[in-house]
Amino acid sequence: DQQVKQNSPSLSVQEGRISILNCDYTNSMFDYFLWYKKYPAEGPTFLISISSIKDKNEDGRFTVFLNKSAKHLSLHIVPSQPGDSAVYFCAASLNYGGATNKLIFGTGTLLAVQP
Amino acid sequence: NAGVTQTPKFQVLKTGQSMTLQCAQDMNHNSMYWYRQDPGMGLRLIYYSASEGTTDKGEVPNGYNVSRLNKREFSLRLESAAPSQTSVYFCATRGGSSSQYFGPGTRLTVL
Repeated sequence: DQQVKQNSPSLSVQEGRISILNCDYTNSMFDYFLWYKKYPAEGPTFLISISSIKDKNEDGRFTVFLNKSAKHLSLHIVPSQPGDSAVYFCAASLNYGGATNKLIFGTGTLLAVQP
Repeated sequence: NAGVTQTPKFQVLKTGQSMTLQCAQDMNHNSMYWYRQDPGMGLRLIYYSASEGTTDKGEVPNGYNVSRLNKREFSLRLESAAPSQTSVYFCATRGGSSSQYFGPGTRLTVL
């Protein structure tokens, strides 16, 4: 049972345009949602997160939107740059009494930003 | 300040051999994790450690053991490697807002 789904394996956009990456989830107990960026042969890098009690979080060119009724979140990158080309993973956090948490990852979306 | 470091970067094993993957962090975080990433799949949790002296199973623990040696170090051991354990292994620590910080990974091939 896949609790976090990224249905688009790949996305191609032109430099300067908006990139929108989507993610769906099934578990209402997730307390945070996160986006990670991964380049080949490197570890995932934390990009941005949003609490389950918020509906929007913005950090520079990156904005994450959360729609709890639809169990859907999206990452917007504006404007897109060639250096943004990478695999983007959506992840959802399950908190265990504050001592630790577990992250459940989607399968990733490969973003290609064309110059 | 190295963050999360992993050794080795690459390893090739024969079926049945054993090895230990090492992870160390200098971020003073309590929680540490081991994940594996396979093609077309997201990262899957193998084991985690909420604090020094505690470890728990994740989603895919079979065939692995872990040791939380101290606050800084968390190792993953394959006692008898199998081809199904060919993967990229990532260690991570927990930061703020439930974020986790990852090491560069160990690429393991089991023949």
